[in-house]
Amino acid sequence: DQQVKQNSPSLSVQEGRISILNCDYTNSMFDYFLWYKKYPAEGPTFLISISSIKDKNEDGRFTVFLNKSAKHLSLHIVPSQPGDSAVYFCAASARNNNDMRFGAGTRLTVKP
Amino acid sequence: EPEVTQTPSHQVTQMGQEVILRCVPISNHLYFYWYRQILGQKVEFLVSFYNNEISEKSEIFDDQFSVERPDGSNFTLKIRSTKLEDSAMYFCASSDRDITPEAFFGQGTRLTVV
Repeated sequence: DQQVKQNSPSLSVQEGRISILNCDYTNSMFDYFLWYKKYPAEGPTFLISISSIKDKNEDGRFTVFLNKSAKHLSLHIVPSQPGDSAVYFCAASARNNNDMRFGAGTRLTVKP
Repeated sequence: EPEVTQTPSHQVTQMGQEVILRCVPISNHLYFYWYRQILGQKVEFLVSFYNNEISEKSEIFDDQFSVERPDGSNFTLKIRSTKLEDSAMYFCASSDRDITPEAFFGQGTRLTVV
């Protein structure tokens, strides 16, 4: 099941710089997209989401961009902080069903 | 802040035994989910539950698995005869999908089958 793909398993960024995490999807029925952050031994924590009727959603340091034609979304974190170091999962769901599909995750490391 | 709680945090069981993983979703949520994450792999959808019945399930959720909402607060995942490959973190989640589709996750139960 590769409906949601995160092709970069890891990303390392210097503190204060921008982190850009990417996600691609294949199912055109997806209409809601989410980013979750996960620390070891904890459950995923909801971070930010975007509906398919928008192309951008911003919440503080976090911005999600959606390009429907390319079936691509990205999460921008600026400025990055060491506490942002975690695994970030992209997820997608469709209005007409009740599951949510996750990407494989990208491990972000923010170096002081 | 309301949260999803899962018990136990760690369960060790012998292969072939039945296990029940328990979850208390957020009280006003109507949609419930189980996910699992095998060590080092992606978070995988197992099943969603709404209005006292399964609404979606993945190919992983075979006849060995079942879910139940035995009362107004608990949501359980039962694995009838565990296999070594069932060892994983199991996450329960809930959402009020009619308002916002975001699902909120519990801390997980680490299941180890030996």
